[in-house]
Amino acid sequence: KNEVEQSPQNLTAQEGEFITINCSYSVGISALHWLQQHPGGGIVSLFMLSSGKKKHGRLIATINIQEKHSSLHITASHPRDSAVYICAVEGSSNQFYFGTGTSLTVIP
Amino acid sequence: EPEVTQTPSHQVTQMGQEVILRCVPISNHLYFYWYRQILGQKVEFLVSFYNNEISEKSEIFDDQFSVERPDGSNFTLKIRSTKLEDSAMYFCASSEEGISYGYTFGSGTRLTVV
Repeated sequence: KNEVEQSPQNLTAQEGEFITINCSYSVGISALHWLQQHPGGGIVSLFMLSSGKKKHGRLIATINIQEKHSSLHITASHPRDSAVYICAVEGSSNQFYFGTGTSLTVIP
Repeated sequence: EPEVTQTPSHQVTQMGQEVILRCVPISNHLYFYWYRQILGQKVEFLVSFYNNEISEKSEIFDDQFSVERPDGSNFTLKIRSTKLEDSAMYFCASSEEGISYGYTFGSGTRLTVV
């Protein structure tokens, strides 16, 4: 059973394209995180959100609590955005559930 | 920019041996976490730690595992009697409650059990 589902699993885009990665979850949450995992394995936290929308540079994250859905958008994508993007939710009992990740490749 | 530091970056150990993975969280952070990622699989939560005690742990975190904050700066994960299936990347993270972007991961320790 996957508490967190991400789509697509793999995504290839041309440089400059607008990218959307989706995340749906089935548990009650106190927060949702979007993480970026580099090819070397290191993980960077991009966003933590519990409602609404956040923007950080070319990245935008939205969450709809009623629909249990979040999206990560990348505007004007660049090859350096190539990474695995992971959605993770923080459950009400401080449990964490991770999606399997979306592997993004941006081609010059 | 403040970092979460993990050492070593890669550790190879014989099956049955004990290993200690070390983490130095960001100094003003109050919550500490360990995660693991088996190669090709998703990241899994192991344990969270606050106020010098475990606040939550997953089913994976059984008696083989323990965590400690021995000196107020380090946060360690001990794995007793390692098994082959413990081979994974282990990530430490820390957070300052209620602060966006305050959740920071270390770069991980790759543990290989042979």
